[in-house]
Amino acid sequence: GAGVSQSPSNKVTEKGKDVELRCDPISGHTALYWYRQSLGQGLEFLIYFQGNSAPDKSGLPSDRFSAERTGGSVSTLTIQRTQQEDSAVYLCASSSDRNQPQHFGDGTRLSIL
Amino acid sequence: GESVGLHLPTLSVQEGDNSIINCAYSNSASDYFIWYKQESGKGPQFIIDIRSNMDKRQGQRVTVLLNKTVKHLSLQIAATQPGDSAVYFCADEAGNMLTFGGGTRLMVKP
Repeated sequence: GAGVSQSPSNKVTEKGKDVELRCDPISGHTALYWYRQSLGQGLEFLIYFQGNSAPDKSGLPSDRFSAERTGGSVSTLTIQRTQQEDSAVYLCASSSDRNQPQHFGDGTRLSIL
Repeated sequence: GESVGLHLPTLSVQEGDNSIINCAYSNSASDYFIWYKQESGKGPQFIIDIRSNMDKRQGQRVTVLLNKTVKHLSLQIAATQPGDSAVYFCADEAGNMLTFGGGTRLMVKP
């Protein structure tokens, strides 16, 4: 499809395991964002990629969280040594430019047992 | 936007009535504002946006009003329909950062 695609849609894992979440942005969008949404909450910014510039990692909650974006397209968010408080929906968005709307995927629902 | 905590405020309206959802933002440097609609199990869906050089913008059945003096944003939905039931988020952008409000749940009674 033409929208932002995220996989997996659901992920259940044991505490202490590492997880990788994937985002395929809209083709041609240079900006890519990761957010976290806990139940009943708004969106918490995690990290932002713009073209070939260094990513803005200011929202990452700890050094267990990292993300990369290969070839200016697909991005993966990695959480190492998962904790129960990492349980949330992880949303990815892309946009064509600043002051243009961000378009979201449907997220990955992560549950840490 | 400003976080409103764990419990979403809820607006309940009758089908066919107009809805007004309000939002406050805190960053006076914000120059771009967006309203999103989020249905259960889905990502936020773009509804309408407005830039800081405007105070009103209309779309199909929706109108966004921006009052920069008091840092207030509102979304008006005309002739609200059951399909409008969702959580609505405002977001404001300063620099490259979008800040989301805590959301308002709109419930439409048939």
